[in-house]
Amino acid sequence: DTGVSQDPRHKITKRGQNVTFRCDPISEHNRLYWYRQTLGQGPEFLTYFQNEAQLEKSRLLSDRFSAERPKGSFSTLEIQRTEQGDSAMYLCASSLPGGKLFFGSGTQLSVL
Amino acid sequence: QKEVEQDPGPLSVPEGAIVSLNCTYSNSAFQYFMWYRQYSRKGPELLMYTYSSGNKEDGRFTAQVDKSSKYISLFIRDSQPSDSATYLCARADGLTFGKGTHLIIQP
Repeated sequence: DTGVSQDPRHKITKRGQNVTFRCDPISEHNRLYWYRQTLGQGPEFLTYFQNEAQLEKSRLLSDRFSAERPKGSFSTLEIQRTEQGDSAMYLCASSLPGGKLFFGSGTQLSVL
Repeated sequence: QKEVEQDPGPLSVPEGAIVSLNCTYSNSAFQYFMWYRQYSRKGPELLMYTYSSGNKEDGRFTAQVDKSSKYISLFIRDSQPSDSATYLCARADGLTFGKGTHLIIQP
């Protein structure tokens, strides 16, 4: 069990650029979640997958955000036309259905 | 009103004290909650689930739910400096987290 892995750990980009983050869940976990966390706030749910199906999306997930999990294993989160307000920690978690959530260490995004 | 609310703190207590962390919830449809601990620059890690009501113990930690007041508590006995972290309460389905309470244990 290598845990949930996120890449990159840090990303600095200029406003208007596109960025993509990757999450590798624990191998036997079929659920995968994405969250956004800003300083002084708890994680805010963005979306989750069961296998390759995206089952729920938050209203926070604007049109500029898209998430995929094409083969039910790793997932990517893309942000298009980044804005300064997108600066945050993006967290990924995985679980078995109804089971404990295991979080990765996150990708810290800074939009200049 | 947010669905899960916490006082962000910081809460500072001396080593060895009993710590009480609290959370309130608004939606009675959800009866199970979780407490997470988050160290700086790390992802949250699950401490414990709550029962739908009453107390649940795990070592130095006790989680308590009062359904009548929609109040969730986490008690830490014999607090240690290594307990210094942010403590988050969340719905058991993982879809809603509180802001977290920043706890500092003074050596």
